Amino acid sequence: GNSVTQMEGPVTLSEEAFLTINCTYTATGYPSLFWYVQYPGEGLQLLLKATKADDKGSNKGFEATYRKETTSFHLEKGSVQVSDSAVYFCAMIKAAGNKLTFGGGTRVLVKP
Amino acid sequence: EPEVTQTPSHQVTQMGQEVILRCVPISNHLYFYWYRQILGQKVEFLVSFYNNEISEKSEIFDDQFSVERPDGSNFTLKIRSTKLEDSAMYFCASSPHHRGVGKETQYFGPGTRLLVL
Repeated sequence: GNSVTQMEGPVTLSEEAFLTINCTYTATGYPSLFWYVQYPGEGLQLLLKATKADDKGSNKGFEATYRKETTSFHLEKGSVQVSDSAVYFCAMIKAAGNKLTFGGGTRVLVKP
Repeated sequence: EPEVTQTPSHQVTQMGQEVILRCVPISNHLYFYWYRQILGQKVEFLVSFYNNEISEKSEIFDDQFSVERPDGSNFTLKIRSTKLEDSAMYFCASSPHHRGVGKETQYFGPGTRLLVL
């Protein structure tokens, strides 16, 4: 079946460190891929997305590239800030579908 | 920037009671969704709604659940007889009419935390 797997947290980093959160998916066809972020006390916000292979989504210094060959959509940021502390969710919508399938979420804590 | 709103933010209820969770989707959106997240677990899809009918539902969405768009702005989730295991954060989401299925962003509300005692 369709599923999304992402690395478990928590991930604790110092400010200005490099962040990577791994995400892989299982699906037939070509799903659309998303990263959502949940800041403390808030709802889910779309961070970035990619809808076809080799697309790169980017926003707020975060990037993720849709890799069909490795079925991955890893999230990266070169220099994190304290304000990036949040829970990050990888998600997908299968081709011709409209429901999101989420990974388990990765809590990131950035310390000053 | 328009956003999805949900009320209440928190609700505590007794097992067996009915609850109605309310959502106001973004005004020009046509697709509506409910998801839930049990504490410590994944966000799970419950149901999607389009053109005044359910377009897809998960196995979680049994006869105890129903959705309704009672007017032009609200979208509600009703749980008829709550169980302890219904305790979760419930998220509403909406998306505009799709040109390419699955490619439209879903915009989420802040959630309603439901606690069933």
